[in-house]
Formats: sequence, C-alpha cells, structure tokens
Amino acid sequence: DIVMTQSPDSLAVSLGERATINCKSSSNNENYVAWYQQKTGQPPKLLIYWATVRESGVPDRFSGSGSETDFTLTISSLQAEDVAVYFCQQYFGSPLTFGGGTKVEIK
Amino acid sequence: EVQLVESGGGLVQPGGSLKISCAASGFSFSGSTMHWVRQASGKGLEWVGRIRIKRDNYATTYAASVAGRFTISRHDSKNTLYLQMNSLETEDTAVYYCTRQRGYVRGEFDSWGQGTLVSVSS
Repeated sequence: DIVMTQSPDSLAVSLGERATINCKSSSNNENYVAWYQQKTGQPPKLLIYWATVRESGVPDRFSGSGSETDFTLTISSLQAEDVAVYFCQQYFGSPLTFGGGTKVEIK
Repeated sequence: EVQLVESGGGLVQPGGSLKISCAASGFSFSGSTMHWVRQASGKGLEWVGRIRIKRDNYATTYAASVAGRFTISRHDSKNTLYLQMNSLETEDTAVYYCTRQRGYVRGEFDSWGQGTLVSVSS
C-alpha cells in the first residue's frame, strides 16, 4: 500500500499569513495526488488534483506543488473561512489512501 | 448540479448486517466509477472500495479491512449506489460517504454526499 504521511498534524497561522502543509508518499504516485478541505460537520471538498491543478471555483490563494513523492498545499494568505482539516490523497494505486489530516486554525 | 444523497444508516449490533444507499443525480451515473469512503468520529478518511462502470463489468475493489464482508453494487437505471455490510464490527462505526470519481481509469473525488452514520454497538 502507498502510505501518505502528512505533516504537521496541526498548525495555527495568523490571518493573512501563509500556511504550508506537506504530504510525503511512500512511493512514486505519478502526481496522482489530490487535496481536500473538510470543515466541521461537512463532507470533504476537492481543492487540488493532479498535484497542482486547482479545482474550478477554488480561490487562487490555494495552490499545490510537488512531484513524485513530496507534495505541498499552500494557502498564501489565510482567511477565517479556511479553518478546516486538510487531507492529501493518492489515487495512483489501489488501495487509494489518504494522509492523516492537518488541522488549520487561526493564531 | 451534481447531488449524492446517502441513506440507510443506523444502529446495528456487532455481527449484524446493514445496506446503505446513495442516490445520484445531475450527472451521468452510469458513466461514473463510484466509491465509498468512511470516517470514524474525529478521525481521518478511509477508502472502503469502488465499483467501475458496465463497460468494465462493474468490477469492484475493496480495502483489506472490509474485503469479504462488504459488497458494493449499483443500479444504473435507478441512479443508485449501494454498500452491503455484513459481519459488522465495532470498528466499522463511521460516517459513510459516497463519492464520484472524475476520470475513467483514475480520478480524484470531485463530488461527495453528506454521509450517513453507521453505528455498530451492542
């Protein structure tokens, strides 16, 4: 199984500051990596797919980068509505696997 | 507008069975590979399994944790996805989401239902 190791588990960032979340894959997944945002009481929402492509309607402060085994989600200027848990996912190999999640809060 | 609406969750005893459903609308259900993903309270996301389309003989794949106990099926004319869960264990307690895969062979999950809660307890 491809293990997705996400870090940090949580982070607190001031409004307007940058938030960076990392995800390391245990093997090369050909950039078949997605990022999801989950707010309390809601299902996950797709933000980024194929490692770097922003989903339609997602604000451009969200960006994805990386390749092969190391991937990053960046929120360039944190807004109050970005408080959520963020998950990475690989969809290259079966079983599909998710990172453990990163909780983003306001400092 | 794409909509996925799960139903059928509830309380079941260990060793029991339950079948949950997901009603789809707003897209070509018959042309979409569909997945189930679950989330225990306060925990992360766990992929449960998927079912491909008719052209692929409705092939299914499951996570090791549920293989042999859970069965995914679909009824394309009813635009409905199912998850039959047998020999339920307390560890199966979770919110179960149905999701749509975008893309034929591989794809991200671009649509999610609101989820249905399955509780396994005596």
